[in-house]
Amino acid sequence: GENVEQHPSTLSVQEGDSAVIKCTYSDSASNYFPWYKQELGKRPQLIIDIRSNVGEKKDQRIAVTLNKTAKHFSLHITETQPEDSAVYFCAAGSGGYQKVTFGTGTKLQVIP
Amino acid sequence: DAGVIQSPRHEVTEMGQEVTLRCKPISGHDYLFWYRQTMMRGLELLIYFNNNVPIDDSGMPEDRFSAKMPNASFSTLKIQPSEPRDSAVYFCASSLTGAVRYEQYFGPGTRLTVT
Repeated sequence: GENVEQHPSTLSVQEGDSAVIKCTYSDSASNYFPWYKQELGKRPQLIIDIRSNVGEKKDQRIAVTLNKTAKHFSLHITETQPEDSAVYFCAAGSGGYQKVTFGTGTKLQVIP
Repeated sequence: DAGVIQSPRHEVTEMGQEVTLRCKPISGHDYLFWYRQTMMRGLELLIYFNNNVPIDDSGMPEDRFSAKMPNASFSTLKIQPSEPRDSAVYFCASSLTGAVRYEQYFGPGTRLTVT
């Protein structure tokens, strides 16, 4: 089955700096890569996703990049704000995109 | 819509007892997922259903775990007998085939503590 590795497990940045979270996947058939954000004590929520026919996608301060050859993808958050503090999960899926395998999460702390 | 509903929100039980977690997906969604979240293992998919039919239960840890979806608006996850290592947050999520985004909508979770 699919295996998704995520790094780093924790990340601290100063407010206004950028944050990068990286993930690798094992199944070359995977073609859908969502990112979820989970605030403390809350449920995970989708923040951005990318499909394998696209190399990069942006949504305001967040962007995802995908390198299918190397089987890795990354989340980039620019101009970080305290409300970006949360745990971020990457995931990979294939086929009908419904089932995904999650990474172990990155706890991001933005220091004011 | 009220979103995905889970009950109870917190459950404390003694080892050996039966535990039943409940989930009501978003109306009209045809996929339902059960996840377990722990610090060590992150978000693990236990089982998922499509149109009330279990599709993949390979993530169910052992025979002590079972899940059912008797209709489109209700699912249960049962642990019998429970063990301390089952302590975790259990999330239910639902999604819709053909939606613009393949988003899984998570419920608030059930925090299970087995003593």
